[in-house]
Amino acid sequence: GDSVTQTEGPVTVSESESLIINCTYSATSIAYPNLFWYVRYPGEGLQLLLKVITAGQKGSSRGFEATYNKETTSFHLQKASVQESDSAVYYCALGDSGGSNAKLTFGKGTKLSVKS
Amino acid sequence: DPKIIQKPKYLVAVTGSEKILICEQYLGHNAMYWYRQSAKKPLEFMFSYSYQKLMDNQTASSRFQPQSSKKNHLDLQITALKPDDSATYFCASSQEGAYAEQFFGPGTRLTVL
Repeated sequence: GDSVTQTEGPVTVSESESLIINCTYSATSIAYPNLFWYVRYPGEGLQLLLKVITAGQKGSSRGFEATYNKETTSFHLQKASVQESDSAVYYCALGDSGGSNAKLTFGKGTKLSVKS
Repeated sequence: DPKIIQKPKYLVAVTGSEKILICEQYLGHNAMYWYRQSAKKPLEFMFSYSYQKLMDNQTASSRFQPQSSKKNHLDLQITALKPDDSATYFCASSQEGAYAEQFFGPGTRLTVL
């Protein structure tokens, strides 16, 4: 079946350091995968951080970037310089553009703590 | 104001009982979803509805039954509860279309004793 594997947390990074959270996917039943990063900040609900629907393209939001690499089936999340406010749980997700209402397949989530 | 309301926030039930989880969205979306997250597991898709009609069901058990009485409601009835049903259940909604962003509710944490 379809699956998403991401960096196991928790991950602790110092403020202003760089960050990479790895995400790889397996899309056995999806011809045209869409890829997403969702985030849950403390005390808040799950919200979309960025998405990319075309292989080879890069998405960006709030200083985070992720490139959809079809060859390596990866969608790693990167940020050059993290801030304390980036502390959250990050989820990589795989969607299916084949249907009209795409189910999302999520990774287990990576808890990020940024220390000042 | 919250755009997706889930009630209750916490729910404790005994094995064998039946519960209904409530979800209402005020985003004007036509598609609604249920997901479940058990301890140490990823969020798992359960159902999708579009215009109050079932589009996709990835739940093996018939004990889980979505109910859509209004366009912006998608409740989840769970019968014959088991301890393994303990999880946080998330409702989500989106505009029509495969690329549409899904918006998630705060979740209902269900504990079955």
